[in-house]
Amino acid sequence: SAVISQKPSRDICQRGTSLTIQCQVDSQVTMMFWYRQQPGQSLTLIATANQGSEATYESGFVIDKFPISRPNLTFSTLTVSNMSPEDSSIYLCSGGGGLDTQYFGPGTRLTVL
Amino acid sequence: SQQGEEDPQALSIQEGENATMNCSYKTSINNLQWYRQNSGRGLVHLILIRSNEREKHSGRLRVTLDTSKKSSSLLITASRAADTASYFCATDVYTGANSKLTFGKGITLSVRP
Repeated sequence: SAVISQKPSRDICQRGTSLTIQCQVDSQVTMMFWYRQQPGQSLTLIATANQGSEATYESGFVIDKFPISRPNLTFSTLTVSNMSPEDSSIYLCSGGGGLDTQYFGPGTRLTVL
Repeated sequence: SQQGEEDPQALSIQEGENATMNCSYKTSINNLQWYRQNSGRGLVHLILIRSNEREKHSGRLRVTLDTSKKSSSLLITASRAADTASYFCATDVYTGANSKLTFGKGITLSVRP
């Protein structure tokens, strides 16, 4: 199994600012993903973080708003840019996938004022 | 569109009783995974069942998969108050470029002591 950590665990931010969330996996994983979970809702996939190339974004999510980096097989970052209160959510990263179990980090709870 | 749909949306049982949760999906899958989430925290992976499997067990958990009906069930036997959480099914669909999980809306389970 993979153990995934995220930083920060929570933050309160002002609108118009940006926040970068870090995700670290304790072992190399083929695939890493970023999800958003709005209050009381299910998880929605934002993008697949590809190692060494641009992330693959889902419909409704764009690189300018959610730039993603993945410099190696164990680390990825998600930036939430130019935040508004509508961006208040839990952001979760995961690793694994393919035919394997996908493990999740503890999430980052973001509140935008 | 939602790939996985759980039912019921909410379930309240007495400690010691069994809890059965169902998940239906729409398209062919590689595998189906069940997760637990405690009160806005990270997701805990429970069981992965592959498309060529029909039943799996893990401790007090039993998962079945019926690909002809495109449905799965999660049974928790002898429930405990600590099982109180939200439960999600997630289907892994190979898209050609890579695979990704699509989550259902979740089931809220309350176990009364």
